[in-house]
Amino acid sequence: DGGITQSPKYLFRKEGQNVTLSCEQNLNHDAMYWYRQDPGQGLRLIYYSQIVNDFQKGDIAEGYSVSREKKESFPLTVTSAQKNPTAFYLCASSILAGGPDTQYFGPGTRLTVL
Amino acid sequence: AQKVTQAQTEISVVEKEDVTLDCVYETRDTTYYLFWYKQPPSGELVFLIRRNSFDEQNEISGRYSWNFQKSTSSFNFTITASQVVDSAVYFCALSEGSGGSNYKLTFGKGTLLTVNP
Repeated sequence: DGGITQSPKYLFRKEGQNVTLSCEQNLNHDAMYWYRQDPGQGLRLIYYSQIVNDFQKGDIAEGYSVSREKKESFPLTVTSAQKNPTAFYLCASSILAGGPDTQYFGPGTRLTVL
Repeated sequence: AQKVTQAQTEISVVEKEDVTLDCVYETRDTTYYLFWYKQPPSGELVFLIRRNSFDEQNEISGRYSWNFQKSTSSFNFTITASQVVDSAVYFCALSEGSGGSNYKLTFGKGTLLTVNP
């Protein structure tokens, strides 16, 4: 089955700790994205990557870091510098065909800072 | 800058009623794309439809239909004969098609639809 997997589904972290959220896709998509969703809000873009070893900041990149060492993987690290990290994090991927292509989403990771 | 407004925060209907979810967008581009996603309680966003700015034809897929009107910058979504399984948050999103920003999806805040039996 082709798709996007995110792990873990729920994650708890103590203040001051870094934590890494996993995102893997087997759709052979070129681009991958990380979004943050807060209650009652739409999604906001954190980082995106269109090619291996390259990524760009989105609207709310402060306090987050990413890597793209493999086409199928795009992990997100929430650092201790992120002031309000409790949120629902969604990973997405899309092909790149010269125009805005449909982004397909994973099941999400719910992060809670204790 | 692009913007998407979903003025209806919550809608509650009884099963078999028809319901329309509103979406109004702002963009300076003449080429852009509009999307609808469904987010059930499980949390995953499910893609429903993608339309480009040059195609104003309405679309119907089963009980779902979409009305795209450039004159009013609206892309409304209607569910006919609603069912309990339609209960979810629905997001409208916009992506501009020119320049280097065609990666960026701007989402509305979503409409929570509750269909009661």
